[in-house]
Amino acid sequence: SQKIEQNSEALNIQEGKTATLTCNYTNYSPAYLQWYRQDPGRGPVFLLLIRENEKEKRKERLKVTFDTTLKQSLFHITASQPADSATYLCALVISGNTPLVFGKGTRLSVIA
Amino acid sequence: DAGVIQSPRHEVTEMGQEVTLRCKPISGHNSLFWYRQTMMRGLELLIYFNNNVPIDDSGMPEDRFSAKMPNASFSTLKIQPSEPRDSAVYFCASSSGLAGAYNEQFFGPGTRLTVL
Repeated sequence: SQKIEQNSEALNIQEGKTATLTCNYTNYSPAYLQWYRQDPGRGPVFLLLIRENEKEKRKERLKVTFDTTLKQSLFHITASQPADSATYLCALVISGNTPLVFGKGTRLSVIA
Repeated sequence: DAGVIQSPRHEVTEMGQEVTLRCKPISGHNSLFWYRQTMMRGLELLIYFNNNVPIDDSGMPEDRFSAKMPNASFSTLKIQPSEPRDSAVYFCASSSGLAGAYNEQFFGPGTRLTVL
């Protein structure tokens, strides 16, 4: 079965720096990856989607890369702010009608 | 739009009792998902429906769990009898298109279940 690993349980960075979160997967190559943000006591909120034939996707201060050779996706937040503090989940779909499989998430804390 | 609505938000019950969680998806969405989230196992898919029909229930832990979607605007997840290990946050999510389609999922606020 598909296995997803997200780097470390928590990541602390200084405000203004770039946060980089990692999502590694094994076995099958996903058709696409999604990234979600989850705040305490709330459901996940969709941020970005990247397809297998895309290398990079950007949205404002967010950037996602997808390396099918390394079986890895990187999620970057540039000029990070304390409001970016949350848990970030990656999720992947193998193909067709298979549903999303989520990683356990990485908790990001941006320190002012 | 009010988003995905779940009720109750919190549920505390005793072992052996029946628990029913409710979900109203976003109007127009034809896929509905039930997830369970714990610290140990993260976010796990329990079951998903497409056009009110259960497509994949392989994530349902055991026969004590059942889910229904009688119409496009309502779904329930029932646990009978409940056990302490069922304690978790249960999320409902909806999306347009099929489960693997290139569409984001919209999550509800979740139901925090505690079984004593």
